[in-house]
Amino acid sequence: AQKVTQAQTEISVVEKEDVTLDCVYETRDTTYYLFWYKQPPSGELGFLIRRNSFDEQNEISGRYSWNFQKSTSSFNFTITASQVVDSAVYFCALSEAGYSGGGADGLTFGKGTHLIIQP
Amino acid sequence: DAGITQSPRHKVTETGTPVTLRCHQTENHRYMYWYRQDPGHGLRLIHYSYGVKDTDKGEVSDGYSVSRSKTEDFLLTLESATSSQTSVYFCAISDVIGGNEQFFGPGTRLTVL
Repeated sequence: AQKVTQAQTEISVVEKEDVTLDCVYETRDTTYYLFWYKQPPSGELGFLIRRNSFDEQNEISGRYSWNFQKSTSSFNFTITASQVVDSAVYFCALSEAGYSGGGADGLTFGKGTHLIIQP
Repeated sequence: DAGITQSPRHKVTETGTPVTLRCHQTENHRYMYWYRQDPGHGLRLIHYSYGVKDTDKGEVSDGYSVSRSKTEDFLLTLESATSSQTSVYFCAISDVIGGNEQFFGPGTRLTVL
């Protein structure tokens, strides 16, 4: 069965510090997709990134970067020079491809990491 | 932003009463999903749909039923609400199985007294 673990329940840092959110996943499929979502205090869920299992290139988008390592089954998320607006709950999620237990039947989410950026 | 609305946005009901939540999309996406979000659990899949009248169970489907008679609407029904179903319910849509991101509605906060 697929599983996503976000061991950090809550992280608090001071503005402008760098912070890394950890995500470890389990799956038996060779084809799968990993996602990060952001849930600010307003409650809506916003998509941040998707990565497929065949693409291990790291990705950078502004102050955000993602490190995907299949060898350790991890998909970590780093915010550089954090800002108060980054305060939110961040979810890592996994989807397996195809009908066999995965793609059609939704995302498997981690429990989320509550990130607090103090001014 | 993807065109997804949920109604009602807030509801308070009593144990034993039936409740129906509605998800409406204007994106013509094939796949629709219902999740519940609870503290300490993240989001968990309740039911999903892969087309009109095609639905299946997710991880936490007990006590819930769904229907999809039109592409744009996906209904979640609690036949007899219980306090354990107090939660925030999110609808999501996707146009491709597995690989594409899911877009989420604004959520419905349901309280069962």
